[in-house]
Amino acid sequence: QVQLQESGPGLVKSSQTLSLTCTVSGDSINSDDFYWTWIRQTPGKGLEWIGYIHNSGRTYYNPSLKSRVTISVDTSKNQFSLKVSSVTAADTAFYYCAREMQFWPGNIAYWGQGAPVIVSS
Amino acid sequence: DIHIIQSPSSLSASVGDTVTITCRASQDIANYLAWFQQKPGKAPKSLMYAASSLEGGVPSRFSGSGSGTDFTLTISSLQPEDFATYYCQQYDSYPRTFGQGTKVDIK
Repeated sequence: QVQLQESGPGLVKSSQTLSLTCTVSGDSINSDDFYWTWIRQTPGKGLEWIGYIHNSGRTYYNPSLKSRVTISVDTSKNQFSLKVSSVTAADTAFYYCAREMQFWPGNIAYWGQGAPVIVSS
Repeated sequence: DIHIIQSPSSLSASVGDTVTITCRASQDIANYLAWFQQKPGKAPKSLMYAASSLEGGVPSRFSGSGSGTDFTLTISSLQPEDFATYYCQQYDSYPRTFGQGTKVDIK
């Protein structure tokens, strides 16, 4: 059974960099079949797709966040990570990591439990 | 970006009722639409993909239909465990986008 688990600081100061890691178990992050994805959720904006990384290193970021987001992968630890720079209160959210199929059916079938992040001034 | 309008934003229903939730995409997404269920304090759970294909273990009282721009999720004979918030998501193009959610609560 595939499991994803987010970890990282729950409190980040404004203007600093938010860093989260997703540890994958029950699956290899080296698989060509998946896009390893970050999504966040706020009461105001709902669910917002942040971006993905493929094991090849290929990434795609939401244009709304692209200038501040970096997603990377550590295959030795079966983990992938998210960094969001220059955070503001608007980045306060629940952050989820997820697995999207690259091929049919192409959907997101697995999510982590989520990690709350508060940006403080 | 593809914009998804989901309606209603909330509805009240009783156990045994049939409820329908709709999503409309701002452009043709074929059948690249997924539905998720989220309960308070939990991550979204995948219910359906390709507009009408159930994930394994999802009860058959859940059904989906539609293609192109208009989609529906129907829950027949609503059960107590179905009271939750439901989201649709398009995965036809990037960035992926979600509907704003429909909260189904007990009448």
